[in-house]
This record gives sequence, structure tokens and C-alpha cells, in this order.
Amino acid sequence: QKEVEQDPGPLSVPEGAIVSLNCTYSNSAFQYFMWYRQYSRKGPELLMYTYSSGNKEDGRFTAQVDKSSKYISLFIRDSQPSDSATYLCAIPNPSNYQLIWGAGTKLIIKP
Amino acid sequence: KAGVTQTPRYLIKTRGQQVTLSCSPISGHRSVSWYQQTPGQGLQFLFEYFSETQRNKGNFPGRFSGRQFSNSRSEMNVSTLELGDSALYLCASSLEPGGSYNEQFFGPGTRLTVL
Repeated sequence: QKEVEQDPGPLSVPEGAIVSLNCTYSNSAFQYFMWYRQYSRKGPELLMYTYSSGNKEDGRFTAQVDKSSKYISLFIRDSQPSDSATYLCAIPNPSNYQLIWGAGTKLIIKP
Repeated sequence: KAGVTQTPRYLIKTRGQQVTLSCSPISGHRSVSWYQQTPGQGLQFLFEYFSETQRNKGNFPGRFSGRQFSNSRSEMNVSTLELGDSALYLCASSLEPGGSYNEQFFGPGTRLTVL
């Protein structure tokens, strides 16, 4: 079992829909959670990060952590074609400070 | 401020050859990390350099090596290339080491194809 699991998709939704992207993790020691966005032919860029449990909102994006279920989510409201990208969750391993990456979910927003 | 630059962007090599990839971090960033990205394995950490010293290394064979220069620019080298080394190689820079807790800024990557 991988330490971080993420459905690679693709996930295709119509413009304006609410998108839910998810990852599960196995190590209860994980405390810090990141979401990166990667456009085609580009490197990943940090979108949001959260610490411990709860929600964090930034514009149309909301990151949510449920530590009891070891489940993290990224919600995108009013999705736009420009949101089409691969979204990767990443979790720092507290034992060696290296990021453990999900496989990435390819998101397609249809106009 | 200029972003992270990587050269070359695309590279085609044959099995058994060696290759050197280059990364120039954002000005003022002293930490450089390298990652391999493949469809099957996703993003995997190769190594991290800070002040010309390797601080962390991932689970890759010794054919993968790197170095960092005094101006923070970094190179990675892969010797005796194998077909499975075909991947996108990403470089990321950050102000400080322990990059996972500091925001990392990624370059566009070098697409290596091994024939």
C-alpha cells in the first residue's frame, strides 16, 4: 500500500461545476498537507497548504483535512476551463522532511 | 524575478549513454531538489542540495548523481542510461533546505527519452 493514494482520473466535468479532488494517506503522524497544480508541459506549483485538521479557503479553492479518516480534499467552486490541469497532493514525511506525492488527478473542465 | 530554469528541455539518448541536466534556481534560493516524474510512479524524490552539500537522497541507484555549485546552480547526471530512465526530470528551488516545509518552486522540467 502506498503511503499516499490518489485517483489518477481523468476527471471530466462541465464548466461551473464544483470539483472534488481527494487523497488518502496511511501515516497518522502526517500533519501538513499540500496541493500542487501542474499544467501540461510545466512544473508543479503550490496551490494551497493546510496544517492538521479543518478547512482552508482561498478564493474558489477550499482544502479540507479529515485526520480521523486520513482523507484530504481539494474543492474547486465555479470551475473554469483554465482549471484544467493535474492536481497533486503532497505530504511532508516528518521523519526525513521529504515530500510524499500522490499520483496526481488529471482534471478536465469542459466549456 | 526569473523562475527556475532547466536545460535542456528535451533530450533523446540511447541505452548505455550518460546525460547531464542543468538547473538554475530562483535568485537567492540556496536549496535545490531534483525529482523524477513518470506516469507509473508519479513524482519521486532524487536528492536535495544546499550550500553545495547533498542533504537528502531518495531511493535511486548510484547511477543518479548530482552536485551544486557555489552560485547554487545544480546539475544531475545519470550514467549508463536504461530504458526505464525515460521521464520528466524536475528541479525545484527553495530559500531554505528541508524543502517540503518550505514552498518549492519548480522548473518546467527536462523530458528525457532513452531509446
